[in-house]
Amino acid sequence: EVQLVESGGGLVQPGGSLRLSCGASGFTFSSYWMTWVRQAPGKGLEWVANIKQDGSEKYYVDSVKGRFTISRDNAKNSLYLQMNSLRAEDTAVYYCARTNWWAFDIWGQGTMVTVSS
Amino acid sequence: QTVVTQEPSFSVSPGGTVTLTCGLSSGSVSTSYYPSWYQQTPGQAPRTLIYTTNTRSSGVPDRFSGSILGNKAALTITGAQADDESDYYCALYMGSGTDWVFGGGTKLTVL
Repeated sequence: EVQLVESGGGLVQPGGSLRLSCGASGFTFSSYWMTWVRQAPGKGLEWVANIKQDGSEKYYVDSVKGRFTISRDNAKNSLYLQMNSLRAEDTAVYYCARTNWWAFDIWGQGTMVTVSS
Repeated sequence: QTVVTQEPSFSVSPGGTVTLTCGLSSGSVSTSYYPSWYQQTPGQAPRTLIYTTNTRSSGVPDRFSGSILGNKAALTITGAQADDESDYYCALYMGSGTDWVFGGGTKLTVL
């Protein structure tokens, strides 16, 4: 079964850090771009970052540039999002998604990140 | 700043047809933006419906179809069912840099 499972969410204080992980199974992870998408409570979806198959290209939405880092470990079939200098507006459910044909064809169940003192 | 526009809400009767649209605050949507559509019910992850304008994702019933209508991307639901009541999001591919932008979503009510 093709599956993505996120972990690592939780409550963190403003200015703090958190590292999200996404484990992939059921497909050849190293063959696909991968993406993080987030959704603030009661709000719409927002593309956050993506990474090329070999990690050589990475792109970020302006609001997280310089604070978030996307990475992957193809040997472990895992995608990561290192989030530093967290702000209240980063509070959201974070989804990892497989990128295929200029779209997101497989989604994880999401992990909640809450930034609050 | 690119803004992708969607109707905030829409209503359709059971068995009816509804077309949701996805536009740009400045300019026209074309196939070059590779529009995609996602369905989301409360508390659930999004589900992919349509990609590259009009290709249905695996397992998606053929009553969901995508197209370009005028200067917008469109998602048409034919023969709406009660379980189609969801939020629908479109996404447009902007190219490298800021790769994708989602629309604000349309809340579809079936009644």
